[in-house]
Amino acid sequence: EVQLVQSGAELKKPGESLKISCKAFGSRFTMNWIGWVRQVPGKGLEWIGIIYPGDSDTRYSPSFQGQVTMSADKSISTAYLQWSSLKASDTAMYYCATSYETSGFYAFDFWGQGTMVTVSS
Amino acid sequence: EIVLTQSPGTLSLSPGERATLSCRASQSLSSSYSAWYQQKPGQAPRLLIYATSGKPTGIPDRFSGSGSGTEFTLTISRLEPEDFAVYYCQQYDNSPVFGGGTKVEIK
Repeated sequence: EVQLVQSGAELKKPGESLKISCKAFGSRFTMNWIGWVRQVPGKGLEWIGIIYPGDSDTRYSPSFQGQVTMSADKSISTAYLQWSSLKASDTAMYYCATSYETSGFYAFDFWGQGTMVTVSS
Repeated sequence: EIVLTQSPGTLSLSPGERATLSCRASQSLSSSYSAWYQQKPGQAPRLLIYATSGKPTGIPDRFSGSGSGTEFTLTISRLEPEDFAVYYCQQYDNSPVFGGGTKVEIK
C-alpha cells in the first residue's frame, strides 16, 4: 500500500525560509513522478510542479517557476518543497501526490494528507 | 500555458440524478493526459478518471469519462449522497494543470 506522509503544519513570518517534506512508503520512489499542489483556503487546486526522483527532472508550472524549489532525496524516499523568502500570499494547504498505478499518464493516484503553511507577521 | 475551463461552476442536483461535468481546454491536448479528481471538504483530492476514461482500482462504475481534443466530460450516472463534492479536471502540458472546479451540491 502506497502512503505519502507530509510534515506538520508551519507558522512562519514573511521573509523567512521554509522546507516541507513528503515521505513515500510502499512506492517505487525513483520510478514515479511526485507532484506538489497548492490550495489557498476556500479556493481551487493549483499545480506547482512535478519532480521525477530517479533523475531529478523537474517541471514547474509557469506561475510558480522561480517562486519555490522542488527536490528529492532518493536515499530516504522523501520529496521536498522549499521557499527562500515566504510571503503572506504563500498561506495555503500544500499537498504532495504520486503517480503510481497511473504512471505514464501524469495522473496522481496517491496523495499526502497536506501541510498547512501560514505566513503572518 | 493551457487554460482549462470547467462548466458549470455549480451543479444543483438531487440524489439519483445524472451529473454531466464539462472541461474545455484552450488548445487540443492528448487524451492520454486527461484526468478528473474529486475533493471533499477537509480532504485531499481523489483520482477518479485518468487517460480520459480509465478508472483506478476502487472507483465505482457510476463514474465515467469521455472526450477528445479540447472537450472532456465526467459523467456520474446516478448521484449517491457521498458524490456531492467539488470536481476538478486536469490536463498535462509540460506540467499538470487543473481546471477551476465544479461544485456538485444537493438541490
